[in-house]
Formats: sequence, C-alpha cells, structure tokens
Amino acid sequence: DQQVKQNSPSLSVQEGRISILNCDYTNSMFDYFLWYKKYPAEGPTFLISISSIKDKNEDGRFTVFLNKSAKHLSLHIVPSQPGDSAVYFCAARALSLQGAQKLVFGQGTRLTINP
Amino acid sequence: ETGVTQTPRHLVMGMTNKKSLKCEQHLGHNAMYWYKQSAKKPLELMFVYNFKEQTENNSVPSRFSPECPNSSHLFLHLHTLQPEDSALYLCASSLQLDGSYGYTFGSGTRLTVV
Repeated sequence: DQQVKQNSPSLSVQEGRISILNCDYTNSMFDYFLWYKKYPAEGPTFLISISSIKDKNEDGRFTVFLNKSAKHLSLHIVPSQPGDSAVYFCAARALSLQGAQKLVFGQGTRLTINP
Repeated sequence: ETGVTQTPRHLVMGMTNKKSLKCEQHLGHNAMYWYKQSAKKPLELMFVYNFKEQTENNSVPSRFSPECPNSSHLFLHLHTLQPEDSALYLCASSLQLDGSYGYTFGSGTRLTVV
C-alpha cells in the first residue's frame, strides 16, 4: 500500500515557464509534507516543506500548496531554470511512538527544463 | 557535502561476499536511517535508529544487518545478497522532533550484486 504517490514519472517544461509537480497521499496522520530534489549520483536535498495546518508555503521561486480535503499537495516552481532539472520527491512525515521521524516518499518525478 | 558521509560510494560484490556500508554524521542529530532506492520505485525505509536504539525494521530480510554503535555512526552489514538487492542505499539523519526540515541525506552507496 503506497501512502504517498507521484503519478507523473516525468515532466518537461520550457525555461521561464511554471513547473507544477503533484503528489497525493492517503494517511491523514501525516503532520508535515516535504519536497526533496535529487541530482544524479547525489543524495536527496531538502527543498521546501509545509505543515499540515497550513495551505501554502513560499520560498523564493518555490511554493508548496496543500489541499487537505483532497489529500493533495503540489510544488510550483516559477520561473523554471535549467538548474531545476532533477528528480523531485514528495515526502510525508509521521512520528513513531518513540518520537523519531519517519518519512514516506513518493516515486519521484523527473523534471526537465528545456532552454 | 551535506554533513552525512557514506562510504564506499560504489560497491560491487558477489552473492557469497560479506561487506559493510558505513554512514557517519557530525550534525548532532539523534536519529539515523537506512533507505533503499531501486529504479522507478519510491525510497523504501529499511531501518530507523533513535538514540542508538532500533525503533523500526521495515520487514527487511536478515541478509541486511544494521549496527548503530553511537548516534554518529551507522553501519549496514551485507551477506549472501541477491542480484535484486542491487540499488542505491541512502543513509540519512535527523534531529528528533526537529520540525519541518526532515532528513539530511548522504550521497548514497551504489551497490551492485553480481
């Protein structure tokens, strides 16, 4: 049972336009949602997050929107730049009984920004 | 460099070999994790350690054996692996209840089982 899903394996966007990456989840107990960016041969790096009590968080060119009723979040990148080409992972956080975080990841979406 | 260091970066091993992956962090984090990334699949959580104690084993086969001697070091001991175990193994660390920043990942060990 996959609790976090990214249904688009790839996305191609022209430089300067908006990139929209989508993510759906099933577990209502997730309290934070995060986006990670991954380049080849590197580990994922944290990009932006949103608490489950908010519906929008913005950081420069990156904005994450959360729709709790639809159990859906999206990452908007505007304007898109060639350096944004990477695999983007959506993740949702749950806390174990011992207080440790546990992140559940989606499959990732490969974003390609075309010049 | 993220502050989480994994060695080796690449490893090729036979099915009868025994090898170990190493992860080290000096970020003052209390929790450490092993994830597996296979092609076209989500990152799969394998193990969670919180203050050196294993808090989660996500139904991982016994041919993978983790060890956490202290909060800064994490190992994954490998023995009699199968070719389908070939993947990118990622280590991560986090502060317990650190809020919104999630994990810091290492660069991973690319494992090939032949």
